[in-house]
Amino acid sequence: AQSVTQLGSHLSVSEGALVLLRCNYSSSVPPYLFWYVQYPNQGLQLLLKYTTGATLVKGINGFEAEFKKSETSFHLTKPSAHMSDAAEYFCAVRPVGDSSYKLIFGSGTRLLVRP
Amino acid sequence: EAGVAQSPRYKIIEKRQSVAFWCNPISGHATLYWYQQILGQGPKLLIQFQNNGVVDDSQLPKDRFSAERLKGVDSTLKIQPAKLEDSAVYLCASRGTSGGYEQYFGPGTRLTVT
Repeated sequence: AQSVTQLGSHLSVSEGALVLLRCNYSSSVPPYLFWYVQYPNQGLQLLLKYTTGATLVKGINGFEAEFKKSETSFHLTKPSAHMSDAAEYFCAVRPVGDSSYKLIFGSGTRLLVRP
Repeated sequence: EAGVAQSPRYKIIEKRQSVAFWCNPISGHATLYWYQQILGQGPKLLIQFQNNGVVDDSQLPKDRFSAERLKGVDSTLKIQPAKLEDSAVYLCASRGTSGGYEQYFGPGTRLTVT
């Protein structure tokens, strides 16, 4: 079965530092890949997605992610963290050929930004 | 456009009681999902509707959970009787048929079972 692994349940960075959130998927066929952000007491908001085409995907709030088929990875980065980036981040996949469009989520990484 | 609406936002019940959650998807979205998000975990799909029909309910604990979407719009998720392990956030999402097939999530209902 398809699965998603997010390394590190928590990540603490200083304001202005690089943010790197890791995501690996298990599939011989590259799925569609998503990153969602969840602020406290809110639902999930789509940051970016990869379906086909360019492997470097730019999203909202200055985030981007690169799809690397050889590494089965889709890591999320932001060059300079802001205090407002503090939230929980979820990587998700939609298996190719799955007509239900359901998402399989990783366990999430909580980002803390220190002043 | 208005987003996905859910109510209540918070609910505290005792074990063995029943509870119901309501979801109103984005207007025109035919597909509706209910996810369960246990603390420290990612959301897990419970049930998916296409209009008023069930597409996938393989992860729904049918001995205690039920869901309906009678007119293909609003949906209700019910738990009866609740167990301690049902404490979680219940997220509703909806999806249209254009614009990248993105799922839009509501704010969720946080359930605490004591």
